[in-house]
Amino acid sequence: AQSVTQPDIHITVSEGASLELRCNYSYGATPYLFWYVQSPGQGLQLLLKYFSGDTLVQGIKGFEAEFKRSQSSFNLRKPSVHWSDAAEYFCAVGQPLSGGYNKLIFGAGTRLAVHP
Amino acid sequence: DTAVSQTPKYLVTQMGNDKSIKCEQNLGHDTMYWYKQDSKKFLKIMFSYNNKELIINETVPNRFSPKSPDKAHLNLHINSLELGDSAVYFCASSSQVAVYNEQFFGPGTRLTVL
Repeated sequence: AQSVTQPDIHITVSEGASLELRCNYSYGATPYLFWYVQSPGQGLQLLLKYFSGDTLVQGIKGFEAEFKRSQSSFNLRKPSVHWSDAAEYFCAVGQPLSGGYNKLIFGAGTRLAVHP
Repeated sequence: DTAVSQTPKYLVTQMGNDKSIKCEQNLGHDTMYWYKQDSKKFLKIMFSYNNKELIINETVPNRFSPKSPDKAHLNLHINSLELGDSAVYFCASSSQVAVYNEQFFGPGTRLTVL
């Protein structure tokens, strides 16, 4: 079965500093990978996704992620964090099901705090 | 213009009661989902419907029964509520049953069972 691991439960950075959130997945074939963000009291919003092609993916809000097959990783990065980036970040992998359907398997999330 | 809406936003109830959560999407999507987020923020899919047909049914107690009256609505009815049902429940929708299509999430319903 597929799984997603986010090793860091909680990360704190200073505003303006760079950010990297780690994500490791377990899947035999080429995975479909996603990063979602959940602001306090809100639903989840898609930041970016990877299916194939260029392993460096650009997303919204200045985020990017790099797919590294050799490391089974899909880490999320941002060069300069803003206070409004404080939120919960979820990595997810798409798991194909019979009948052409699929479901998302989420990691446990990483809570990002930003110091002024 | 809320894309995916859920009602109520908060729900506080006693053990043993029956309650429903409603979800509506105005995106024209044909696939809808229910997720449960526990107190540790772990998010797990419960059900998925495509064109009113149940396509994903995880190992959820049969006290949980989804109902899809049409493509735009997916309601969740919970019988005999238990303390462990306390969680945030998210509805989501997507345009196709394909993993590469973005799922749009509602704001969540925080259910507290006393």
